[in-house]
Amino acid sequence: EVHLVESGGDLVQPGGSLRLSCAASGFNFSRFWMSWVRQAPGKGLEWVANIKPDGSEQTYGDSVKGRVIISRDNARNSVHLQMSSLRVEDTAVYYCARVGDGCLSSWGQGALVTVSS
Amino acid sequence: SYELTQPPSVSVSPGQTATITCSGEELPNKYAYWYQQKPGQAPLLVIQKDTERRPGIPERFSGSSSGTSVTLTITAVQAEDEADYHCQSADSRDVWVFGGGTKLTVL
Repeated sequence: EVHLVESGGDLVQPGGSLRLSCAASGFNFSRFWMSWVRQAPGKGLEWVANIKPDGSEQTYGDSVKGRVIISRDNARNSVHLQMSSLRVEDTAVYYCARVGDGCLSSWGQGALVTVSS
Repeated sequence: SYELTQPPSVSVSPGQTATITCSGEELPNKYAYWYQQKPGQAPLLVIQKDTERRPGIPERFSGSSSGTSVTLTITAVQAEDEADYHCQSADSRDVWVFGGGTKLTVL
């Protein structure tokens, strides 16, 4: 069974940085694209970033491009999201998800990031 | 930037049919996917590639596509189907995008 567990969510001040992690289990991690998606309180879903199985290619949503970096460690079955220059509007639950054929086939339970002074 | 448009809300009585639409100019060229999200839970993929129901999803859920719109149909709606439903697709650059989500209320 696919299992994704996010960690690292926290309260951070505007302009600050934060690193989210996602531990994966139950599948051959190194063979799958992985993704981060976020959801602001009471709002819809917003795609944040994807990373190729070998980590050689990353794609980003327009609203976060230049401020976040997605990376992965296939030896540790983990994917990370390094966020910097955080804004109040980055406040959201951040979900880690496994990519499957153009969509997100399995999701973690999410990590809450709150950006506030 | 590319947008997918969904109605904010849809209401139906139990046993009736609910239809939720998602429109976007790239939908004739890109597959759409539907996710169900219940309060406090992560989204769950229910329909992939416009029309394919995921394993374990009840047969009352179906997807269709026509031109620049895709539709999620739930026949004989049950109380447990009350949730937010999100469509997802990609633009011509393969940048992923979600619709704004539709809250399905079962009266």
